[in-house]
Amino acid sequence: KAGVTQTPRYLIKTRGQQVTLSCSPISGHRSVSWYQQTPGQGLQFLFEYFSETQRNKGNFPGRFSGRQFSNSRSEMNVSTLELGDSALYLCASTHPGQGSGELFFGEGSRLTVL
Amino acid sequence: AQSVTQLDSQVPVFEEAPVELRCNYSSSVSVYLFWYVQYPNQGLQLLLKYLSGSTLVESINGFEAEFNKSQTSFHLRKPSVHISDTAEYFCAVSPGGYQKVTFGTGTKLQVIP
Repeated sequence: KAGVTQTPRYLIKTRGQQVTLSCSPISGHRSVSWYQQTPGQGLQFLFEYFSETQRNKGNFPGRFSGRQFSNSRSEMNVSTLELGDSALYLCASTHPGQGSGELFFGEGSRLTVL
Repeated sequence: AQSVTQLDSQVPVFEEAPVELRCNYSSSVSVYLFWYVQYPNQGLQLLLKYLSGSTLVESINGFEAEFNKSQTSFHLRKPSVHISDTAEYFCAVSPGGYQKVTFGTGTKLQVIP
């Protein structure tokens, strides 16, 4: 069974540009969450989608957005990139009926903003 | 709301020595508890979890954690560490359902040969 797949794994952008990251959850998983990981702030929750609907949202500016498709794949977009957006962006999926909140993570997309 | 505190940002320990990584949490509701491990340049992997029942839970690679409700703690221990245990460890709590999971700031375990 394939795990959570994130693309691209690494990317470099410049300030002001925008970026789109993709996440394919484990087959059968319908919930997808996104986290930003930085050395200074640790793991910060961005948002969570279930059946194409955003159910939870963290405290990030509107430049950060996401969506989920009918096949449960998810994308997140960051517009007008800032230097502080450099981070590892992690996607995680959850098994339906898994009431504990156990997360299955991808390997992440490492974004560097120059 | 929930919060997780991992007081130790880095823990150096010699190979074959015991180690304890501390985790304390606060929550107004019952929560599920997790430890995740992150190896360099990888995502997080579940190490072990407490859902209910026995307060002592174990992983397949020798780690164990004990849920202490009165002290709101879920410390991670291993009696003898190996070089391959060098990684960052995250404690996390979840109220369950579709509520978001809250992570601690992580503890970097450095095993010294």
